[in-house]
Amino acid sequence: AQKVTQAQTEISVVEKEDVTLDCVYETRDTTYYLFWYKQPPSGELVFLIRRNSFDEQNEISGRYSWNFQKSTSSFNFTITASQVVDSAVYFCALRPDPYNTDKLIFGTGTRLQVFP
Amino acid sequence: EAGVTQFPSHSVIEKGQTVTLRCDPISGHDNLYWYRRVMGKEIKFLLHFVKESKQDESGMPNNRFLAERTGGTYSTLKVQPAELEDSGVYFCASSQAQGEWDGYTFGSGTRLTVV
Repeated sequence: AQKVTQAQTEISVVEKEDVTLDCVYETRDTTYYLFWYKQPPSGELVFLIRRNSFDEQNEISGRYSWNFQKSTSSFNFTITASQVVDSAVYFCALRPDPYNTDKLIFGTGTRLQVFP
Repeated sequence: EAGVTQFPSHSVIEKGQTVTLRCDPISGHDNLYWYRRVMGKEIKFLLHFVKESKQDESGMPNNRFLAERTGGTYSTLKVQPAELEDSGVYFCASSQAQGEWDGYTFGSGTRLTVV
């Protein structure tokens, strides 16, 4: 089965706190891509990161970092020193079998609220 | 460069009526995708166009949904007749080349409410 699970429905933090959004995926494919998207209040889905299954290096981009662990099928996203502008719904997504399909399989999303 | 544009941004219709959603992809993008998010659930794939041809329509829920992309430019998604369970946010995305992954750009979605 191909599936993405984001167990956290909603998270609330106060500005400057660190927050981690969890993502667990299931796939039988050995080659796949993982993504995170942000949906701010304006509605559009904004691409944040893509990671392929052969690259387990963690990635840091400013206050954002991603921890990919194949052993636990997880691709977690951490925001350091959160800001009000980080308030959004965040979606984790899987592209299984990238040579044969363009489909993305999304999780249910995690709503992050950052309070001043 | 203009992004992916969707019309309308919101639509409220009665059960049994017809609604047509429109998506204008980024100019020059051959690949166009429709996705849907029903309230609180995951975003689900509906279908994929390459130019005017349907590459994959495995996610279309039933025959009340009809997607077209005449001329390989904009696309429409018609729901006829609409049912309550069709309510949700419909997203469109486009990419220049199949499998191009940083370039898969989404629109802001159309929020459809069927009452």
